[in-house]
Amino acid sequence: QKEVEQNSGPLSVPEGAIASLNCTYSDRGSQSFFWYRQYSGKSPELIMFIYSNGDKEDGRFTAQLNKASQYVSLLIRDSQPSDSATYLCAVKWDSNYQLIWGAGTKLIIKP
Amino acid sequence: DVKVTQSSRYLVKRTGEKVFLECVQDMDHENMFWYRQDPGLGLRLIYFSYDVKMKEKGDIPEGYSVSREKKERFSLILESASTNQTSMYLCASTNRGRSTDTQYFGPGTRLTVL
Repeated sequence: QKEVEQNSGPLSVPEGAIASLNCTYSDRGSQSFFWYRQYSGKSPELIMFIYSNGDKEDGRFTAQLNKASQYVSLLIRDSQPSDSATYLCAVKWDSNYQLIWGAGTKLIIKP
Repeated sequence: DVKVTQSSRYLVKRTGEKVFLECVQDMDHENMFWYRQDPGLGLRLIYFSYDVKMKEKGDIPEGYSVSREKKERFSLILESASTNQTSMYLCASTNRGRSTDTQYFGPGTRLTVL
């Protein structure tokens, strides 16, 4: 059974600090890892994705993969109140069209 | 820009009614998906389609059916709506190929079944 787990939060972080979000997955065969952001009442939008071969940085966002411990992290530097949202992690196993989704972590950035 | 649209933002139906939710994408994507999202449960896949007239069951297909007669359009059908189908329904589409696995979502339909 392929599973993706996230702490539901809320995770409260002061403005300007680094927010660190984690996601664990159950199957070592996973190939791609996605982070989506979802504002209240809106649909998910992609922040970034990484493959199993490395980390990725995009502006204030960094996604890191720890294959040995089977988790993927999203770091948000210089957190802003506009980063307050629910962050969804999704994992894809090749040869399958599906993404397996975590339930999301609610992040609150305090001014 | 990828655009995925859904026929309604809010819908209220009565138990036993037949409900149609429509999704249209304008990026010529092969794959389309229907999810439902409930608090604390995340996104659960109902059905997906990888080509016209092709469909596969997701994790929770019971009580639902789908139709894909044209590439750009994917419909979700609740044959006889029940109160436990009250939820947010999200449609998504994606192109084929490993490098473009990103799923693009429509705005969602919040369905209430009374």
